[in-house]
Amino acid sequence: AQTVTQSQPEMSVQEAETVTLSCTYDTSESDYYLFWYKQPPSRQMILVIRQEAYKQQNATENRFSVNFQKAAKSFSLKISDSQLGDAAMYFCAYKHIAGGTSYGKLTFGQGTILTVHP
Amino acid sequence: DSGVTQTPKHLITATGQRVTLRCSPRSGDLSVYWYQQSLDQGLQFLIQYYNGEERAKGNILERFSAQQFPDLHSELNLSSLELGDSALYFCASSPTLAGVYNEQFFGPGTRLTVL
Repeated sequence: AQTVTQSQPEMSVQEAETVTLSCTYDTSESDYYLFWYKQPPSRQMILVIRQEAYKQQNATENRFSVNFQKAAKSFSLKISDSQLGDAAMYFCAYKHIAGGTSYGKLTFGQGTILTVHP
Repeated sequence: DSGVTQTPKHLITATGQRVTLRCSPRSGDLSVYWYQQSLDQGLQFLIQYYNGEERAKGNILERFSAQQFPDLHSELNLSSLELGDSALYFCASSPTLAGVYNEQFFGPGTRLTVL
């Protein structure tokens, strides 16, 4: 079974600084997707960024970028120029691409609470 | 706003009772997923339906059941409720079986409190 581990229960960053959230995963599959979701105090789950495992290039979305190391099974999220609105719980998630009985299942890590200080 | 709606937003009930949570997916989405978020277990996948059929099952208790109706809305039924069932229950939807770009769109959740 796939597992996702976020080893940092809490992180903090100063406004305008850069912070990196860590995620590791365990899978025997070669084709999969990885995601970072943001959950602000409203509890809404918001997709931040996605990475296809077959792509070597790291995904970027504005101030958000990932460092995807497939061999190391590592998928970290870098937030640049942090803003107060970035304060939230961040979840790393894994999804196998095709087949079997896990078509759409997302496996989530435990989450990292990010605090942004003004 | 993701386009996924869930009702009710909050539900308070007693142990032993039965409740039904409702989810309306985004217009045109055929897949519906249910997740449970609790302090003890984190975010866990419960079950997936695609166009009315069950397609994947996670750590869903036997006391829980779900279905997807012809109009594609879904209901999650929780029975013989226990204190430990208190959690935030999310519904998510995607257009296809695996999701365009594999993205799932989450609803705002239903907060269930069992007293």
